[in-house]
Amino acid sequence: LAKTTQPISMDSYEGQEVNITCSHNNIATNDYITWYQQFPSQGPRFIIQGYKTKVTNEVASLFIPADRKSSTLSLPRVSLSDTAVYYCLVGETGNTGKLIFGQGTTLQV
Amino acid sequence: GAGVSQSPRYKVAKRGQDVALRCDPISGHVSLFWYQQALGQGPEFLTYFQNEAQLDKSGLPSDRFFAERPEGSVSTLKIQRTQQEDSAVYLCASSLGQISSEKLFFGSGTQLSVL
Repeated sequence: LAKTTQPISMDSYEGQEVNITCSHNNIATNDYITWYQQFPSQGPRFIIQGYKTKVTNEVASLFIPADRKSSTLSLPRVSLSDTAVYYCLVGETGNTGKLIFGQGTTLQV
Repeated sequence: GAGVSQSPRYKVAKRGQDVALRCDPISGHVSLFWYQQALGQGPEFLTYFQNEAQLDKSGLPSDRFFAERPEGSVSTLKIQRTQQEDSAVYLCASSLGQISSEKLFFGSGTQLSVL
C-alpha cells in the first residue's frame, strides 16, 4: 500500500478556502485516493474519492495532477464546524482488506 | 438509525480483566473492520472480516486480542487480561462490498480505559 504524507496541522478563518495537500509518491497504477474527516468522539466519515483529474461533490473537491503523486483536498468557504482531522488514504482498486490511516491533518478554523 | 452501532460507548476495566466490545454493522454489509485509535493518532488496523470469514488479522497486537463474526453480521472484539497499553478507542467500520475502494462507514467507537 502506498504511503501518504500530509501536514500535521493547518489553521484557517471562517469563509476561507482551505487546501490540504497529500503526497503519495509511490502510488501504483491501480490505486485510488480517498479522504476521510473525523470529529472528536466520532469515527471517521468518508468525504471524497478519486482516481485522476478532478472530482467534486457537495462537500469538497479533490484535485489530482496527471502524475498522481499528490492530491489536494479543497474545502470551499470553511466554517467553525469544519474543524476536524482530515485523513488521506491510498488503496488498491479491487484489493480486499484494510485501508491504512496516517496521522492526518488537524484543521483548526 | 441505519448506521454502525458500537457498544458500550465507554468501558472502564481493571488491569487483568477481560472485556468484550460489540459492533452492529449496517445491515447487508459484507465487510467489517476493527481499528484501534490511540489519543492523537490515526486509526490503526486490527482485523478484517468478509461475511463470517476473518481474512486478515495481521493488526491484532497480541494473542490477547480475539475477534469473531459468527453469523456474518454482529462482531465482537474480545481483549483478555487487559493491560494499560490497551487503553484506546476501538472503532468498527463496515462496507457494502468486499474491495477496499468501497466507502467505509464507521461507528462512534468504544473508549476503553484500563486502570
